[in-house]
Amino acid sequence: QKEVEQNSGPLSVPEGAIASLNCTYSDRGSQSFFWYRQYSGKSPELIMSIYSNGDKEDGRFTAQLNKASQYVSLLIRDSQPSDSATYLCAVNPDDYKLSFGAGTTVTVRA
Amino acid sequence: SQTIHQWPATLVQPVGSPLSLECTVEGTSNPNLYWYRQAAGRGLQLLFYSVGIGQISSEVPQNLSASRPQDRQFILSSKKLLLSDSGFYLCAWSERTEAFFGQGTRLTVV
Repeated sequence: QKEVEQNSGPLSVPEGAIASLNCTYSDRGSQSFFWYRQYSGKSPELIMSIYSNGDKEDGRFTAQLNKASQYVSLLIRDSQPSDSATYLCAVNPDDYKLSFGAGTTVTVRA
Repeated sequence: SQTIHQWPATLVQPVGSPLSLECTVEGTSNPNLYWYRQAAGRGLQLLFYSVGIGQISSEVPQNLSASRPQDRQFILSSKKLLLSDSGFYLCAWSERTEAFFGQGTRLTVV
């Protein structure tokens, strides 16, 4: 079983809609969870961190964490063409390492 | 503020040739340092991480090696490249849990 699993996509949403991305992880002891955005040909950029169960909002982005279900999600509200990218879910299984999912590619249609 | 420099941005190397990729971090002390590889259309694979000078942990046995000769310098090396070493190599740093990436090196082995 992979440590971090994401829907591979691609996920196509119309401009202005909500994009919903899901991620599950296998290590129940994980304490830190992240979402990175990666534009084609570029390096990943951290967009959200979440450490506690519940929701965390930052602008148009909302991260949701449910440790009991080992589930992390990212909502992108009012999706814009500039949100078209691959979104990587990352989890800290221990103090030093980050494990990444394979990513979900999002395309926002104008 | 902290910055991370990684070079070169692109590299084309023949099979069997050596490799040296360098990464330096500014604006922080004793960071955790990481080398990741991303194959085309795939997620990030952790290759090496370091929590201090001279301390290297390897995640995947292969023909690559890493060194940390100074606190904020991390080097990825190979004596003889294989075709399968092609990919996007990313250096990252962290102080606690969040990791931040350099611009990456796109390596093509021909």
